[in-house]
Amino acid sequence: SYELTQPPSVSVSPGQTARITCSGDALADQYAHWYQQKPGQAPVIIIYKDKERPSGIPERFGGSNSGTTATLTINAVEAGDEAAYHCQSADSSGLYLVFGGGTKLTVL
Amino acid sequence: QVQLVQSGAEVKKPGASVRVSCKTSGYTFTKFYIHWVRQAPGQGLEWIGITNPNGGSTTHTQKLRDRIAMTWDTSTTTVYMELSGLKSEDTALYYCTRAGEFQGPFDYWGQGTQVTVSS
Repeated sequence: SYELTQPPSVSVSPGQTARITCSGDALADQYAHWYQQKPGQAPVIIIYKDKERPSGIPERFGGSNSGTTATLTINAVEAGDEAAYHCQSADSSGLYLVFGGGTKLTVL
Repeated sequence: QVQLVQSGAEVKKPGASVRVSCKTSGYTFTKFYIHWVRQAPGQGLEWIGITNPNGGSTTHTQKLRDRIAMTWDTSTTTVYMELSGLKSEDTALYYCTRAGEFQGPFDYWGQGTQVTVSS
């Protein structure tokens, strides 16, 4: 079955830039979406269709997709950004959706 | 405002079935897909299936084979997910979530329903 691969953890200091990657062969044909999940809460969409930002999401959050790797970039990281980040996409048929394993962002 | 309100926690024995409901409101029910996503303790998110109240179709992860059934009631704008032949590895927090397109993104989420499978 199709899989998306994310690093289990990323650590950055406040004010620095965090980059979280999501790798999968079908990303060349399918969009990547990104969700932020804080403990005890449901996920929240923060980036959709590779690079679009929903209303209310700070401009510090950005996304890109190079074809087989999607990247979530968080500029000027704040303590409140500490959370798990999940990428989501679909397999090459578009019929089966998949999440990456999730990345825990730690703000040092 | 858009709301997805799920049914309460369930504790089931192995081999039993569980049905989770997702009551939707605040939008036109047939214009959006409802997906089901689960999260085992301390783990990531896992997509398990989709219902299309407009087209009348469902699709689910092949991992669950024929153990999952998803239905809906347009009159009450409620979606249901039933999982049968429960195993300990089905223990998870189950979410319903809405999407305007088949592949997502998911813009609104239910509060989650804890399903625990234990003998």
